[in-house]
Amino acid sequence: SQTIHQWPATLVQPVGSPLSLECTVEGTSNPNLYWYRQAAGRGLQLLFYSVGIGQISSEVPQNLSASRPQDRQFILSSKKLLLSDSGFYLCAWKWQAGYGYTFGSGTRLTVV
Amino acid sequence: QKEVEQNSGPLSVPEGAIASLNCTYSDRGSQSFFWYRQYSGKSPELIMFIYSNGDKEDGRFTAQLNKASQYVSLLIRDSQPSDSATYLCAVFFSGGYQKVTFGTGTKLQVIP
Repeated sequence: SQTIHQWPATLVQPVGSPLSLECTVEGTSNPNLYWYRQAAGRGLQLLFYSVGIGQISSEVPQNLSASRPQDRQFILSSKKLLLSDSGFYLCAWKWQAGYGYTFGSGTRLTVV
Repeated sequence: QKEVEQNSGPLSVPEGAIASLNCTYSDRGSQSFFWYRQYSGKSPELIMFIYSNGDKEDGRFTAQLNKASQYVSLLIRDSQPSDSATYLCAVFFSGGYQKVTFGTGTKLQVIP
């Protein structure tokens, strides 16, 4: 069966520090992968999506970047975190067009 | 701008009652519709999807779709305290590059 792994679960980082969040999917190949952010009390904001290795589309210009070095690995990064980067970061994958997403367990990031 | 609208709530219902959650969307050509449940501090979990006009039932859950009115709803029969969560409506918009747009969610409280 397909599973999605995301880590770490929680992270507290100072302003200006770098960030790297990793997401991996098992049990499938060539998945569509997504990074979402959910700020406190707000909806899900799509940050990046990828349909294949090295193929990244950015939805919202900001302080973050994404990479897909392997078929089932999706990484979210920042060189210098801002206070506004705090939130709940969710990785998701979709195995077939038109179907819903399956989310990882999420990373709660607090920038202090 | 393709939008998905939900009443933020909270919607309070007594245990055993029917909870009715509503969602409207802006793109008449939308193809797929999803309901996610999100417990506080957790990632969203897909509970229902519907593609055709009418009703779709799964256990205590019924999804209803009316494409002419651009309206999708979720009914929860025999509501339980464990159903207390935020329910997110999501829509797969036509022409979107395999992306799903989420509403901001309705918080449901089931009162014992």
